[in-house]
Amino acid sequence: DGGITQSPKYLFRKEGQNVTLSCEQNLNHDAMYWYRQDPGQGLRLIYYSQIVNDFQKGDIAEGYSVSREKKESFPLTVTSAQKNPTAFYLCASRPIGFGTSGGSSYNEQFFGPGTRLTVL
Amino acid sequence: SQQGEEDPQALSIQEGENATMNCSYKTSINNLQWYRQNSGRGLVHLILIRSNEREKHSGRLRVTLDTSKKSSSLLITASRAADTASYFCATDADGAQKLVFGQGTRLTINP
Repeated sequence: DGGITQSPKYLFRKEGQNVTLSCEQNLNHDAMYWYRQDPGQGLRLIYYSQIVNDFQKGDIAEGYSVSREKKESFPLTVTSAQKNPTAFYLCASRPIGFGTSGGSSYNEQFFGPGTRLTVL
Repeated sequence: SQQGEEDPQALSIQEGENATMNCSYKTSINNLQWYRQNSGRGLVHLILIRSNEREKHSGRLRVTLDTSKKSSSLLITASRAADTASYFCATDADGAQKLVFGQGTRLTINP
C-alpha cells in the first residue's frame, strides 16, 4: 500500500451523522484522489486535488466534501446528504510530471488500504 | 462515467494455466493501466502501456493495446494461487489528471 495511510479501517455511522475519513501520504505527491467502490464494482471518482488549497469534483461528488490544507493530507467528509454512503473508500496519490525514470510511470496512482464505511 | 469495460467479469482457471482478461474503452487515451486488488485491500499498479505502444511485458504479465479497436488485454502466464484477485483497467482522461476505471475481472486460481 506504499506510503499512503487511511484511517480508520472500519467505520460505522448512524444515519444523519457526518463522518470524516483520513488520508495521509508521505510520498511527496502533488495529486490526491478519493474513490468509492461498491461490492463487485469498479472505482468511481469522488474528488481530486492537484495542489494544496485546490480540488475538483469527480463523477459522484454530491454528499461529500474535501479539504487540502496540507500537501500530505486529503480528508474526505461524508455528509448526511449522501443518501447511500455504505461503501469501501479508497484514497490514492500520484506525482505530477515526469519521473526520474524517464516518465514511464508518472501517471501511476498509489493507493491506500481503504476504509470500509457502514451506515447503521 | 465508466470508460473501461472488462471482460469477462469473472474467470476461474487451474493453477499453471494462462489467464487472459480484456478491456474496452470508448474515447482516445494517452495511456492504459492495469491494477490488481486483493479482496478488501487497496489497488496495486501492475503495468502501464502508452497509446503509441502495442505490447509490453513485465515478468509473467503481457499487455497488448489496440487503439484502432479501443481495446487492451492482460495475459498472466503460468498462473499461481497468489494471482487470485480482481483486475482493473484504467484509462486517463482530461489531460491525464484523473483515471477512469472499469468494472474489473475477478480472477480465481484453483490449486
